[in-house]
Amino acid sequence: KQEVTQIPAALSVPEGENLVLNCSFTDSAIYNLQWFRQDPGKGLTSLLLIQSSQREQTSGRLNASLDKSSGRSTLYIAASQPGDSATYLCAVRGVGGSYIPTFGRGTSLIVHP
Amino acid sequence: EPEVTQTPSHQVTQMGQEVILRCVPISNHLYFYWYRQILGQKVEFLVSFYNNEISEKSEIFDDQFSVERPDGSNFTLKIRSTKLEDSAMYFCASSDLGTPFTDTQYFGPGTRLTVL
Repeated sequence: KQEVTQIPAALSVPEGENLVLNCSFTDSAIYNLQWFRQDPGKGLTSLLLIQSSQREQTSGRLNASLDKSSGRSTLYIAASQPGDSATYLCAVRGVGGSYIPTFGRGTSLIVHP
Repeated sequence: EPEVTQTPSHQVTQMGQEVILRCVPISNHLYFYWYRQILGQKVEFLVSFYNNEISEKSEIFDDQFSVERPDGSNFTLKIRSTKLEDSAMYFCASSDLGTPFTDTQYFGPGTRLTVL
């Protein structure tokens, strides 16, 4: 059974720092991996989707990398801003007939001015 | 920009009652999903729906749950006889073409279900 772990669970940083959020998964046979942002009391917003054949995806100040063999993905946030404050979730989808995603618990990020 | 909408935003019900949670996916999307998030817990997949039938469901989605697309715009989740442990935030999502989960999913704001 796939297990997804996100480290750290919480992070508080001053504005302007570059950040790395980590996601690890136990079964490397994945279909794709997706990073989401969740604001308090709100739904999820997709940030980046990495297919299993890809190594990384970039969108603005966000860069996500994928290393299937080691079961790891990182989300890099450049020049963090207070508006980046949210919980960041990663979700992994497996292969072998089921595309059901497995989510991590998330990293709660606070960027203070 | 098109968005997924959900109603109601908060539903309070008595244990044993039936509830229907409603979602309006993005109009040209073909795949629809329900997820739930118990307070303080992980987001959990419930069910995916395509071409008027369930394509996948998790072990959480037992006989107490059902989904329906009653018309061309709405997508509903019904819980027949609610239990205390059904209290959670329920999220609807939709995605465009391609096989399920290959395309980006767009989530609604959620319905908070409280079972008393």
